[in-house]
Amino acid sequence: SQQGEEDPQALSIQEGENATMNCSYKTSINNLQWYRQNSGRGLVHLILIRSNEREKHSGRLRVTLDTSKKSSSLLITASRAADTASYFCATDARGNNRLAFGKGNQVVVIP
Amino acid sequence: EAQVTQNPRYLITVTGKKLTVTCSQNMNHEYMSWYRQDPGLGLRQIYYSMNVEVTDKGDVPEGYKVSRKEKRNFPLILESPSPNQTSLYFCASRHNRQGALSGYTFGSGTRLTVV
Repeated sequence: SQQGEEDPQALSIQEGENATMNCSYKTSINNLQWYRQNSGRGLVHLILIRSNEREKHSGRLRVTLDTSKKSSSLLITASRAADTASYFCATDARGNNRLAFGKGNQVVVIP
Repeated sequence: EAQVTQNPRYLITVTGKKLTVTCSQNMNHEYMSWYRQDPGLGLRQIYYSMNVEVTDKGDVPEGYKVSRKEKRNFPLILESPSPNQTSLYFCASRHNRQGALSGYTFGSGTRLTVV
């Protein structure tokens, strides 16, 4: 099955800065989702972008999707210490009732 | 509160001793799924269920069984656990809406150690 692949794998930034993560995938998708996971805990759904959408916002989050390049980016603006977590992209492929996850990006926001 | 509940949170067991990890959701979701998370490998899907009495294999189903007799419950069964099944397990659910346009709700996880 396909998997999203995030880049970079680990990111360390100062509080107030923006954090950007990228994700690439390999096949056609219905939608792409981003999740956050705090250390060893359950994943929390952040945002979903459909295959016919190019950009979506939710609070301090901005997601873009480029289906021609099979890539997505997640931008967290004005980061806070509480944003420290691992972030995963996940793809919902067409004709496949499954969600495939990338390996995740670890983001550390330094107060 | 809408949630997915997994039990137990932590489990240490011995090789070969059958165990069941329970998962229950209170959101009337049709779709439920099990994942395992391992360092460097991310989350991999074990089994999923589109609805009651319908289950399908994910990417890593070997050594696991599931059942979906009721909509709210989706237990994960390890008939004969082995050390390579030591992992962090997550149950997740969502509605079978058009195009699956809603995100998944995850449980808090079950950390399993097989010695």
